[in-house]
Amino acid sequence: KQEVTQIPAALSVPEGENLVLNCSFTDSAIYNLQWFRQDPGKGLTSLLLIQSSQREQTSGRLNASLDKSSGRSTLYIAASQPGDSATYLCAVDNTDKLIFGTGTRLQVFP
Amino acid sequence: EPEVTQTPSHQVTQMGQEVILRCVPISNHLYFYWYRQILGQKVEFLVSFYNNEISEKSEIFDDQFSVERPDGSNFTLKIRSTKLEDSAMYFCASSETGGASGELFFGEGSRLTVL
Repeated sequence: KQEVTQIPAALSVPEGENLVLNCSFTDSAIYNLQWFRQDPGKGLTSLLLIQSSQREQTSGRLNASLDKSSGRSTLYIAASQPGDSATYLCAVDNTDKLIFGTGTRLQVFP
Repeated sequence: EPEVTQTPSHQVTQMGQEVILRCVPISNHLYFYWYRQILGQKVEFLVSFYNNEISEKSEIFDDQFSVERPDGSNFTLKIRSTKLEDSAMYFCASSETGGASGELFFGEGSRLTVL
């Protein structure tokens, strides 16, 4: 059974820092991995999708890497801003359904 | 930018009542999903729907739940005889090509409170 774990559970940093959020999964037979952002009481905003054949994806200040064989993904946020404060979720797709981690709650203070 | 829309944003109901949550997926998408998130817990898969039938459902999606695409735009989740433990945020999602290769886009959610 696929299990997805995210570390750290919470992170509080000053503005401008570069951040690394970690995601690990137990079954490497995935189709893809997707990173989401969730603001309090809101829906899920897709940030990046990495197909199983890819190693990384970039969008603006965000870069996500995937090492399928070791069951790991990292989300790198460059030059963090207060507006980046949110919960970041990773989710893996085994069989056309997403299995989510518990998320990393990020707070970036000015 | 196209988006998934959900109504209502919040519904309060009495235990035992029926609830219908509505979703309008992105117009050219063919794959539809419902997920839920109980407060403080992980987002969980409920059901996937393609070509007017359920593709896959989780253990949570028992006979109490049903989904329907009544017309060309709406996708609904019906919960019969609601229980206290059904209180959660319910998210609709859609994908153009299916989760195996495609990106899922989620709505803002419908918060269900069962009293």
